[in-house]
Amino acid sequence: QLQLQESGSGPVKPSQTLSLTCSVSGEFISSGGYSWNWIRQAPDKGLEWIGYIYHSGSTLYNPSLKSRVTMSVDRSKNQFSLKLTSVTAADTADYYCARGITVTMSYAMDVWGQGTTVTVSS
Amino acid sequence: EIVLTQSPATLSLSPGERATLSCRASQSVGTYLAWYQQKPGQTPRLLIYDASNRATGVPARFSGSGSGTDFTLTISSLEPEDFAVYYCQQRSHWPPVLTFGGGTKVETK
Repeated sequence: QLQLQESGSGPVKPSQTLSLTCSVSGEFISSGGYSWNWIRQAPDKGLEWIGYIYHSGSTLYNPSLKSRVTMSVDRSKNQFSLKLTSVTAADTADYYCARGITVTMSYAMDVWGQGTTVTVSS
Repeated sequence: EIVLTQSPATLSLSPGERATLSCRASQSVGTYLAWYQQKPGQTPRLLIYDASNRATGVPARFSGSGSGTDFTLTISSLEPEDFAVYYCQQRSHWPPVLTFGGGTKVETK
């Protein structure tokens, strides 16, 4: 059974870099037909897609975050990662990783991690 | 960038009633649309993909319809566990950027 688990750097100070990793179990990231996504949700707000990475390492980011986001994949560890630079309080959110099914037209995300809370505070 | 607008923001209904949720796109997305359910303190759950296809394990009382710019999620008869927030999500044709709508909260009347 596919499971995703986020882990991260804990509290982050303003202007620093947020780093998160999503560990995938039950399936190889190198399997085709999927995108590996990051989504966030600020307190009491809606969902915001951050971006995704394919097993090849190709990425696509939310245009509003593109200048600050870098995603990478480590196939040997079956993990993918997110870095968000120059964080501010507005980046405080629950961060989720999720698998997207690229054989669907909507790239629907069918399996999600439990999420990890990142607080940006001095 | 394609913007998704969900309405109403809040829907107050009783168990057994029919729920009709709307998602409108600022430009055509074909059928590149999915719906998710999120309960308090829980992870979003995929309900519908490609506008009208139920995800694995989703009860038949959930149905999706629409294409182009106007989409609907219908819950035929609300069960107590259906009171939650529902989000639509689209994928742009190219580049395949994703966006979410702002959500509709279905609450108990």
